[in-house]
Amino acid sequence: AQTVTQSQPEMSVQEAETVTLSCTYDTSESDYYLFWYKQPPSRQMILVIRQEAYKQQNATENRFSVNFQKAAKSFSLKISDSQLGDAAMYFCAYRSSNAGNMLTFGGGTRLMVKP
Amino acid sequence: EAEVAQSPRYKITEKSQAVAFWCDPISGHATLYWYRQILGQGPELLVQFQDESVVDDSQLPKDRFSAERLKGVDSTLKIQPAELGDSAMYLCASSSLPRGGAPLHFGNGTRLTVT
Repeated sequence: AQTVTQSQPEMSVQEAETVTLSCTYDTSESDYYLFWYKQPPSRQMILVIRQEAYKQQNATENRFSVNFQKAAKSFSLKISDSQLGDAAMYFCAYRSSNAGNMLTFGGGTRLMVKP
Repeated sequence: EAEVAQSPRYKITEKSQAVAFWCDPISGHATLYWYRQILGQGPELLVQFQDESVVDDSQLPKDRFSAERLKGVDSTLKIQPAELGDSAMYLCASSSLPRGGAPLHFGNGTRLTVT
């Protein structure tokens, strides 16, 4: 079974600064997808960014980018120019490309943004 | 933008009582998921539907939990009888495909408190 580990329960960043959230995963498969989801307090979980394992190029979405290291099974999220609205729980998630496979989440990292 | 609808938003019940949660996925999304999220942890899959069929319910405590999606559209998750350990956020999500890169769209969740 696949496992996803987020080793940082909490992180803090100053507004306008850059922060990196870590994620590692364990799988024996070669074809899969990785995701970062954001869950603001009392609000719904939303997709931040997605990475296909077969793509070497790291995904980027505006201020959010990933560092995908397939051999190391590492998938970190970098948030540039942090904003107060970035404060939330961030979850790393893994999903196989095979049909019927569920999305497996890590335990989450709480990001606090200081003004 | 279309959203996943869930109700109720909050539910307080006494142990041994029955509770039910409802979810209406995004129109056209054939895949529907119920996740349970304990405070401070990542979501864990309870059940996955493809249309009206259960694809994965391996983590569903079947002695007390049941889920149905009779017409392949909206879904109901039931707990009977509720136990103190069932206190959690219950998240519903839907996706256009049951695999790979198709992102999950989450509802706001139902926060259950069992007293």
